[in-house]
Amino acid sequence: QLQLQESGPGLVKPSETLSLTCTVSGGSISSSSYYWGWIRQPPGKGLEWIGSIYYSGSTYYNPSLKSRVTISVDTSKNQFCLKLSSVTAADTAVYYCARQKWLGGPDAFDIWGQGTMVTVSS
Amino acid sequence: SYELTQPPSVSVSPGQTASITCSGDKLGDKYTCWFQQKPGQSPVLVIYQDSKRPSGIPERFSGSNSGNTATLTISGTQAMDEADYYCQAWDSSFVVFGGGTKLTVL
Repeated sequence: QLQLQESGPGLVKPSETLSLTCTVSGGSISSSSYYWGWIRQPPGKGLEWIGSIYYSGSTYYNPSLKSRVTISVDTSKNQFCLKLSSVTAADTAVYYCARQKWLGGPDAFDIWGQGTMVTVSS
Repeated sequence: SYELTQPPSVSVSPGQTASITCSGDKLGDKYTCWFQQKPGQSPVLVIYQDSKRPSGIPERFSGSNSGNTATLTISGTQAMDEADYYCQAWDSSFVVFGGGTKLTVL
């Protein structure tokens, strides 16, 4: 059974870079049918898509975050990573990684990690 | 940018039918999916490609999409269905989520 697990610091200082890793187990990140995405949820608020990546390295990002976001993939480790630069308190959220079906275009996120809380504070 | 609009809250009595809407410009021309999220848990996909149910999702969950509105319908609503529900679609390869609807079963 495919599982995703987020990992990384739970506390990041303002203006620094948030870095998270998602480890995929029980299946290969190199599947041709899926992208791999990051989604976040500020406390008490809704879901916000950050971006997604294919195992080849092809990416697409939320236009509102694109200038600060980098998503990369390491197929040898079955992992993909998120970097969000110049963070502020507004970036405080639970960050989820998820598998995204691809059907000639983006489809649903069908498997999610448990999420990791990241707080931006000095 | 593309936007999806959901009602903040919907209430339903146990055993009745709950309908949660999601509105967006020409949404019927796009695929929509729905997620259920209970407090402290990750979202769970309950409907994809407008009306398909993933394995393990009860038959009481169904979906439709036409015109500018997609609808998640829960028939014979149970107390365990109380949760936040989010719609999701994509526009020009960009993923968009609705603001979420809190379903209360009372």
